[in-house]
Amino acid sequence: GQQVMQIPQYQHVQEGEDFTTYCNSSTTLSNIQWYKQRPGGHPVFLIQLVKSGEVKKQKRLTFQFGEAKKNSSLHITATQTTDVGTYFCAVKTAAGNKLTFGGGTRVLVKP
Amino acid sequence: KAGVTQTPRYLIKTRGQQVTLSCSPISGHRSVSWYQQTPGQGLQFLFEYFSETQRNKGNFPGRFSGRQFSNSRSEMNVSTLELGDSALYLCASSLDGNNYGYTFGSGTRLTVV
Repeated sequence: GQQVMQIPQYQHVQEGEDFTTYCNSSTTLSNIQWYKQRPGGHPVFLIQLVKSGEVKKQKRLTFQFGEAKKNSSLHITATQTTDVGTYFCAVKTAAGNKLTFGGGTRVLVKP
Repeated sequence: KAGVTQTPRYLIKTRGQQVTLSCSPISGHRSVSWYQQTPGQGLQFLFEYFSETQRNKGNFPGRFSGRQFSNSRSEMNVSTLELGDSALYLCASSLDGNNYGYTFGSGTRLTVV
C-alpha cells in the first residue's frame, strides 16, 4: 500500500530559527497537499503541489515538490510561536483518489 | 460561508453498541471524506463519497460504513463498537476531491467504554 514517511517526527525550534520538514513517498505522486493542525484543533489546508519541481511560498512558508514527484518539503523561516502545531503532508497517486496522510511533524517552539 | 459541521462533538458509547456520526459539508462541496485520528495511528482514511457514491475506501473492517445524501451531507456508522474504536473522527469536504484541498470539520470525539 501507499507509504508516506514524514521526517522528523518531532522538531524543537528556537523562536527565530528556520527549519525544514520532509515528506517521502514510495511511489510517484499525482499531487501532494500540506495541512497544519494546531493542538486540540483539526487539520487546516495550507497548499497543494501538482507539478514536478514546483515551489510555492506563503509568507514565511516555502513548499517544494521533488523533481521525481516522490517527495516534498516544507521550510519555515524565522519561526514564531504561532507556528506551533503538527504539519501533515497528504498524497494522492495516479492509481486512486484516496488522500493518504503522513505521520506528521510535530513542531514545538522555544521562546 | 459556513464551514464543515460535524455532530455530535463528543460521544460516549459502550462496547457492542453502534453509533452514527453526521457531517454537513461546505455548500457546493460534493466530495466528503472521513478519517479516524488516534495518537498511535495518526490520520487513517476511512472512505470518500462523491455524488452519493463511495469512490474510495480505506482498510477498515466492514463494521465501518457510510453514506452520502443528495444534498451532500454524509453519515458514518460504526457497529459493534470495540474499545479500539475510541478516536477523533474527522470529516472533510472538497469541491471535487481532485483539484482542491479539503476543509475539515472539528470532529467527533468518540469514547468507547
